[in-house]
Amino acid sequence: QVQLAQSGAEVKPPGASVKVSCKASGFTLTNYGISWVRQAPGQGLEWMGWISAYNGYTNYAQKLQGRVTVTTDPSTSTAYVELRSLRSDDTAVYYCTRLPRNYYYYGMDVWGQGTTVTVSS
Amino acid sequence: QSVLTQPPSVSGAPGQRVTISCTGSSSNIGAGYDVHWYQQLPGTAPKLLIYGNSNRPSGVPDRFSSSKSGTSASLAITGLQAEDEADYYCQSFDTSLSGSVFGGGTKLTVL
Repeated sequence: QVQLAQSGAEVKPPGASVKVSCKASGFTLTNYGISWVRQAPGQGLEWMGWISAYNGYTNYAQKLQGRVTVTTDPSTSTAYVELRSLRSDDTAVYYCTRLPRNYYYYGMDVWGQGTTVTVSS
Repeated sequence: QSVLTQPPSVSGAPGQRVTISCTGSSSNIGAGYDVHWYQQLPGTAPKLLIYGNSNRPSGVPDRFSSSKSGTSASLAITGLQAEDEADYYCQSFDTSLSGSVFGGGTKLTVL
C-alpha cells in the first residue's frame, strides 16, 4: 500500500527549529520527488518546497528561502523538512506529498496524514 | 493573497451541478502548465481529485470533471451528494515564482 507516514505533533518556542519526517512505503522513494505543503489554522494550502529524490535537486518557496531545508535519506525511505527561526505564523499542519517525475502533469498524487507544528512560548 | 484565484464558497442542493473556477495568469495556467484539483474533507489531508487538467485518478467518481482554457480552469461536480461537502483547491506551477502555487480554496456546502 502506497503511503507517506509523518512524525508526530511538535510544540516549539519562537526562534527554535523543527524537523518533520515523512516515511515512504509501498514505492521506491528514489523514483519520485517529495514536496512539502503547509496549512495554517483555517487557511489554505501553501507550497514550501520540494526535493527530487532521484538527483537531490531542491527548490524552495521564495518566502521561506534561507529558513527551510528539504532532505531525503534513501536508506530509510524518509524525507525531512527543517524550518528554522520559527515564528508564530509558522504554526500550521505540515504535509509531505509525493511527486511523480512528470509532476507538472501528475500533480501531488499521495499525501501524508499531516504533522501539527505549534510555535508558542 | 493566493496566486490562483478561487471563489471562497459555493453551494448547491443534492443532485444539482456546481462549478468552481480557478483564475491564474500568463506565468502559470496561461503559460501552459497543467492544473490539478484537490479535495479536502473536514479534518483530513487533501486528496488528489483531478490531475493534468482533466484526468481522474482511479476511484474518483465521474461526477467530477474539469477543464482548462487560457488562464483559467474550472471544476464541475454533478449530482451533488452530501459527502462532497469539502474544501477544493486548484494547483499549478508558476514560472515567475519557480514553484507550485495553490488557489485560496473553495468551500463547497451541500444544502
